Amino acid sequence: SAVISQKPSRDICQRGTSLTIQCQVDSQVTMMFWYRQQPGQSLTLIATANQGSEATYESGFVIDKFPISRPNLTFSTLTVSNMSPEDSSIYLCSVAHLQETQYFGPGTRLLVL
Amino acid sequence: AQSVTQLGSHVSVSEGALVLLRCNYSSSVPPYLFWYVQYPNQGLQLLLKYTTGATLVKGINGFEAEFKKSETSFHLTKPSAHMSDAAEYFCAVSVTPSGYSTLTFGKGTMLLVSP
Repeated sequence: SAVISQKPSRDICQRGTSLTIQCQVDSQVTMMFWYRQQPGQSLTLIATANQGSEATYESGFVIDKFPISRPNLTFSTLTVSNMSPEDSSIYLCSVAHLQETQYFGPGTRLLVL
Repeated sequence: AQSVTQLGSHVSVSEGALVLLRCNYSSSVPPYLFWYVQYPNQGLQLLLKYTTGATLVKGINGFEAEFKKSETSFHLTKPSAHMSDAAEYFCAVSVTPSGYSTLTFGKGTMLLVSP
């Protein structure tokens, strides 16, 4: 399985600011996904990031709030913009290559004050 | 549309006892089913998956799950709990065997293991 890292692992931010989360994988993968896990809740898919094209966002998530980049087959970023306390969550990236299973990164724990 | 229901937000067992975590799904097409585990302050780790073929699936750390189409269930079991099994467990469903398309997760079940 792929080895996935995320930076930062955790952060405390002030409301109104933005945070960019990086996801790096040790091998080329076709698909990268970004999930949100709110406190005590399950995982919700934010968007699917395809290399060389715009990300595909799920209902309830918009590009202005969660811009995503996917410059190559091993890297993606998620930005949480104009943050509010409601954005306090764990943000996880996952990857899938061709017909293989999704594998998850360690997550970024975000607290917005 | 697909959905997953995990019965019980918390399950408590004693060390050495049987672990049973329940998962029921709803899917309009043949589903592919997954169990992931999340240890404290970590990401999700794949425990096991069902795609096609044998309905009893064995995973890592002694866990197994059985796909029962008639009951729309995919319950996770382990014969003897270990303290290190304490974690949160998520059942998920997909319409592709890789989870390549959207994975839909249940709300999770926290497994507590007491000595």
